[in-house]
Amino acid sequence: DIQMTQSPSSVSASVGDRVTITCRASQDMNTWIGWYQQKPGKAPELLIYAASTLHTGVPSRFSGSGSGTDFTLTISSLQPEDFATYYCQQYNSYPFTFGPGTKVDIK
Amino acid sequence: QVRLQQSGPGLVKPSQTLSLTCAISGHSVSSNSAAWNWIRQSPSRGLEWLGRTYYRSEWLNDYAGSVKGRIIINADTSKNQFSLQLFSVTPEDTAVYYCARDTTIMGYFDSWGQGTLVTVSS
Repeated sequence: DIQMTQSPSSVSASVGDRVTITCRASQDMNTWIGWYQQKPGKAPELLIYAASTLHTGVPSRFSGSGSGTDFTLTISSLQPEDFATYYCQQYNSYPFTFGPGTKVDIK
Repeated sequence: QVRLQQSGPGLVKPSQTLSLTCAISGHSVSSNSAAWNWIRQSPSRGLEWLGRTYYRSEWLNDYAGSVKGRIIINADTSKNQFSLQLFSVTPEDTAVYYCARDTTIMGYFDSWGQGTLVTVSS
């Protein structure tokens, strides 16, 4: 199975900060990567697919980049509703696998 | 707009079968433009994709190796829903289970059910 790692595992930030989360795959994923946001007690929500394409309705302060094995999710100016856990996911090969998550909390 | 509504028991005894249903509104389960997935989440295993079903002139399935041999995902077109059966469960199968839609068949999930906590315990 493809192993996904994320760093950092958690980050404390303030409203207005720029936050960058890194995801690394154990094999070349091309750009078959998605990013999700999950709030406590809720299902994950899709933010980005194909490494850099914003899902419908997702604010433009979210952006994704990368290809191959290294990917990033950036929140350009953190808003109060962005405090959550973020997951990357590969869909290049079965089984589809997720990273362990990065928790963004309030500094 | 699609809505996925999950139902099923929250407690299952060890060695028994876990059964969950995901009722779909706003999209046909037999659409050629979607795949219907089950994903679970636990503190020990994180988010884990279990498998999917989709219709391409016939019903097709893909399953994760970690549960292959004890999982069935199938669709009920008369009720526009799909279901998960996981056999011979152990306490390690305790998790929040989600159903999810993939409208590209590529493998990412754009709509999710609300989640069901299933505890495996005697």
